[in-house]
Amino acid sequence: GAVVSQHPSRVICKSGTSVKIECRSLDFQATTMFWYRQFPKQSLMLMATSNEGSKATYEQGVEKDKFLINHASLTLSTLTVTSAHPEDSSFYICSARDLGGAGELFFGEGSRLTVL
Amino acid sequence: GIQVEQSPPDLILQEGANSTLRCNFSDSVNNLQWFHQNPWGQLINLFYIPSGTKQNGRLSATTVATERYSLLYISSSQTTDSGVYFCAGGGTSGSRLTFGEGTQLTVNP
Repeated sequence: GAVVSQHPSRVICKSGTSVKIECRSLDFQATTMFWYRQFPKQSLMLMATSNEGSKATYEQGVEKDKFLINHASLTLSTLTVTSAHPEDSSFYICSARDLGGAGELFFGEGSRLTVL
Repeated sequence: GIQVEQSPPDLILQEGANSTLRCNFSDSVNNLQWFHQNPWGQLINLFYIPSGTKQNGRLSATTVATERYSLLYISSSQTTDSGVYFCAGGGTSGSRLTFGEGTQLTVNP
């Protein structure tokens, strides 16, 4: 199957700092990538849809100024958590769908953010 | 948007037992997947199954699109099958997936 890679897998930062998470499709191209967030013992909730070359689409209740998304190429999307606070601590997972594929969505390994 | 209901929320089995996990959708889906989330959080793709039946080793899945549900069968369960199983559906093949709440499976030796 297609491979999606996230980096970093774990990050600890101080409150008020910004953190960038990268999501790469390693062996396919993706015009659209999806960013999910998962709190402990809960399901995955879609935060935003990242569109290559255009603005991201955010889900209701997600602050676009806090969670900056950039999809600069067909293989890379980034999520920047700006001015992070402890309540932003979570597991962030990206996903992508192969343009030439049947429709299956592939997920990265996830990035665990801890804000002190 | 689409609502996804998974059952049961928790399941405890003895090694070697069989089990069935169910996923109901509030609306028609054209994109349906089953995942296993490992202890490190990574989602492992099990099946992409908008309709029909597929099998992969001890796992199989069936989706009845007209009745808006999907089933995941685990046969001869092993302790390594433990974890959370999610189903997720989307309205079209290019759309995002909405996840169910998951089934926490524990397989005891």
